[in-house]
Amino acid sequence: GAVVSQHPSRVICKSGTSVKIECRSLDFQATTMFWYRQFPKKSLMLMATSNEGSKATYEQGVEKDKFLINHASLTLSTLTVTSAHPEDSSFYICSARASGSSSYNEQFFGPGTRLTVL
Amino acid sequence: AQSVTQPDIHITVSEGASLELRCNYSYGATPYLFWYVQSPGQGLQLLLKYFSGDTLVQGIKGFEAEFKRSQSSFNLRKPSVHWSDAAEYFCAVGPPYGNKLVFGAGTILRVKS
Repeated sequence: GAVVSQHPSRVICKSGTSVKIECRSLDFQATTMFWYRQFPKKSLMLMATSNEGSKATYEQGVEKDKFLINHASLTLSTLTVTSAHPEDSSFYICSARASGSSSYNEQFFGPGTRLTVL
Repeated sequence: AQSVTQPDIHITVSEGASLELRCNYSYGATPYLFWYVQSPGQGLQLLLKYFSGDTLVQGIKGFEAEFKRSQSSFNLRKPSVHWSDAAEYFCAVGPPYGNKLVFGAGTILRVKS
């Protein structure tokens, strides 16, 4: 149980285009989903927290107009990288927290999406 | 500010040998502590967590970790490493209430036969 999927696993796009990454909780409902960015040889940095049916909360320094997050249902959150540039190339990981979870902060992580912007 | 330090970027151990991965944190109050493992191309899997109580916590895959408040540490241990343990390990800290996790930079474990 508690499986989180991400699609696509890899994407290569041209500079200036937009890319959408999907994060799905497959066997549970997730009120809250998180988006992280992982740089090579670096740790995961939380980008934003999304709650179903409301606006995402972005971490300081993250451009909300560049990284659009939508959490339209209890099983799906999307991250759209708008007008992508090479510096947006990274590994993006989502996680989901089960609705009504009594276990604090037990986040289930997706496998990640490798974005390469040419 | 909250921070997590994993001093070792890479560690290589022989199969069957014991393992200890270090984690030090900086936090203003009693933190919630986690260890995750990430295999190539896969997401993070929770190994164990500490919220309160017994400072020695047992996790999956034979791992354990000990919370030492006086040293602000939460080191991960395993008595006998298997080749399948080769992966990257992340220590993370979070507040008692709230969602945000702060991760360390990770330690890459290599297992030699």
